[in-house]
Amino acid sequence: IAGITQAPTSQILAAGRRMTLRCTQDMRHNAMYWYRQDLGLGLRLIHYSNTAGTTGKGEVPDGYSVSRANTDDFPLTLASAVPSQTSVYFCASSDSQADTQYFGPGTRLTVL
Amino acid sequence: AQSVAQPEDQVKVAEGNPLTVKCTYSVSGNPYLFWYVQYPNRGLQFLLKYITGDNLVKGSYGFEAEFNKSQTSFHLKKPSALVSDSALYFCAVRDGTNDYKLSFGAGTTVTVRA
Repeated sequence: IAGITQAPTSQILAAGRRMTLRCTQDMRHNAMYWYRQDLGLGLRLIHYSNTAGTTGKGEVPDGYSVSRANTDDFPLTLASAVPSQTSVYFCASSDSQADTQYFGPGTRLTVL
Repeated sequence: AQSVAQPEDQVKVAEGNPLTVKCTYSVSGNPYLFWYVQYPNRGLQFLLKYITGDNLVKGSYGFEAEFNKSQTSFHLKKPSALVSDSALYFCAVRDGTNDYKLSFGAGTTVTVRA
């Protein structure tokens, strides 16, 4: 069982370009999440999805969008990247009953 | 609103000594509390959680944490630290009455010297 996979592992992107970070889980978890990790700030929630077909805004949603067409996939899109979106992005999922969130390996994104 | 504070950016201990990483929280309802560990260039790994029941929770790798409702704390402890415990530790909380969103602390870097 792979758990959660994220792609790409890392990316350097020019400002203004569009970018989609991919996240796939094979645990059949209902809920999925996107976080960004920045030094000294911990993890901040960008968007979340409680179940397939629904999404919600987290703490720092501006400049990002998500979709949840099925249970397994939860892509994060930056429509027009800016340097302040340089960060490490983590996808996570949880089973509604167990409450524990399980994290992917992360994507390191640099916007120049 | 919910929040977590980890008052120490860094904790340094000698191998074999006790390790404590502090965490205090704020929620409006019943707290669900979690500890995660992150090794360099890796994702977060779940260590332990408190939902209800015994205030002392035991988790992975010999770690434990004590829930203290009156002090709104959930400190992580290990009786005898190992060099391999050196990592970044995050405390997280969610309000048990709402959906699944977690709020994380800023993290505490633990260094265990040989």
